[in-house]
Amino acid sequence: ETGVTQSPTHLIKTRGQQVTLRCSSQSGHNTVSWYQQALGQGPQFIFQYYREEENGRGNFPPRFSGLQFPNYSSELNVNALELDDSALYLCASSYWGGETQYFGPGTRLLVL
Amino acid sequence: SQQGEEDPQALSIQEGENATMNCSYKTSINNLQWYRQNSGRGLVHLILIRSNEREKHSGRLRVTLDTSKKSSSLLITASRAADTASYFCATAVLTGANNLFFGTGTRLTVIP
Repeated sequence: ETGVTQSPTHLIKTRGQQVTLRCSSQSGHNTVSWYQQALGQGPQFIFQYYREEENGRGNFPPRFSGLQFPNYSSELNVNALELDDSALYLCASSYWGGETQYFGPGTRLLVL
Repeated sequence: SQQGEEDPQALSIQEGENATMNCSYKTSINNLQWYRQNSGRGLVHLILIRSNEREKHSGRLRVTLDTSKKSSSLLITASRAADTASYFCATAVLTGANNLFFGTGTRLTVIP
């Protein structure tokens, strides 16, 4: 197991609502990346945070936003939820510039 | 669109047999990594091969990389029932944040 934790494990929301997902990085890691994994697909990069700033973003709209805190933990916020946002959301931590990312167990979001 | 594509999409073998999965990608890379995922949970890092390496071993795993063909293969020798999982290749590109581009994965089933 990695030292990356995520909460909650499961979540059900309705279309139009907002959701916040949380991630605690592995001890010593200062970079957090978020990925979305739709059913039957590989993970897709949402964005990465380093030094509390967004550092790189994938092809996701602005209603996907994030935060990183001084202790390197992170939040992913999604506004105006759509049905297609139903997915497993994974966070991964690493050292800045590190080649390997360590993934948490994920949060499964269902939008009805 | 995703960077990589795995082949085959699904593979079923008997315990003790070898399993080979292939990955193709589209652009120049820093490194290529293989991850394993059990039942839609978090990803576990298996092995990393850099763009200047051709082959790498780790226990029962053997990875090859052919940058001229933009392809990689993962060989799992003497498979076990516990190897049943989805396997993803992920590439790290030369520019931008060290985000990973994942393929669609190979679902491996090892029959006891």
